[in-house]
Amino acid sequence: GAGVSQSPRYKVAKRGQDVALRCDPISGHVSLFWYQQALGQGPEFLTYFQNEAQLDKSGLPSDRFFAERPEGSVSTLKIQRTQQEDSAVYLCASSSPGGPGTQYFGPGTRLTVL
Amino acid sequence: AQSVTQLGSHVSVSEGALVLLRCNYSSSVPPYLFWYVQYPNQGLQLLLKYTSAATLVKGINGFEAEFKKSETSFHLTKPSAHMSDAAEYFCAVSETGSGYALNFGKGTSLLVTP
Repeated sequence: GAGVSQSPRYKVAKRGQDVALRCDPISGHVSLFWYQQALGQGPEFLTYFQNEAQLDKSGLPSDRFFAERPEGSVSTLKIQRTQQEDSAVYLCASSSPGGPGTQYFGPGTRLTVL
Repeated sequence: AQSVTQLGSHVSVSEGALVLLRCNYSSSVPPYLFWYVQYPNQGLQLLLKYTSAATLVKGINGFEAEFKKSETSFHLTKPSAHMSDAAEYFCAVSETGSGYALNFGKGTSLLVTP
């Protein structure tokens, strides 16, 4: 079956612009995660959804970051007023409920803020 | 919080040689541990995971890892390296909260030389 997909794959934004990154999880996966991967680093947790409920957003670096999953499927990560330090690869992962299940990762969106 | 440390940001082996990538964990409770591989411009792919069953875990592509509680280690090995094994490898530990979100190490880049 189809894996996790993310769009766009690449995004270039001018500092101060707003961006929206989309994640389509594997069908039927209840859990959805967002991670941020800076260049040369391991991914870092941003936020977690179970269905449409955002149960943990402790990893979001600032109030400029916002994530939603209104119907419990597709999720969007929004970054307002982007700054250069937001440049990173944003990874989405989904898994079945109960844990620790295998997280399946999308290819990521590479965001470059100029 | 649970964490992992990967020793060696870069490892170089000859084709056919043993691959050993080191990971040590820090956890006050029995951890869930994972190894993921990341090929250039691709998402993370699960190699194997330890969830308190057998201490020797076999994964895909001939990789295996052994959970050693006395050494707080979960090193990844492969008896004979292939050129196709060149990639970035991440060790991760799962937080029991946050839906079992992953805490990743900084990664080890594996180079395989002819």
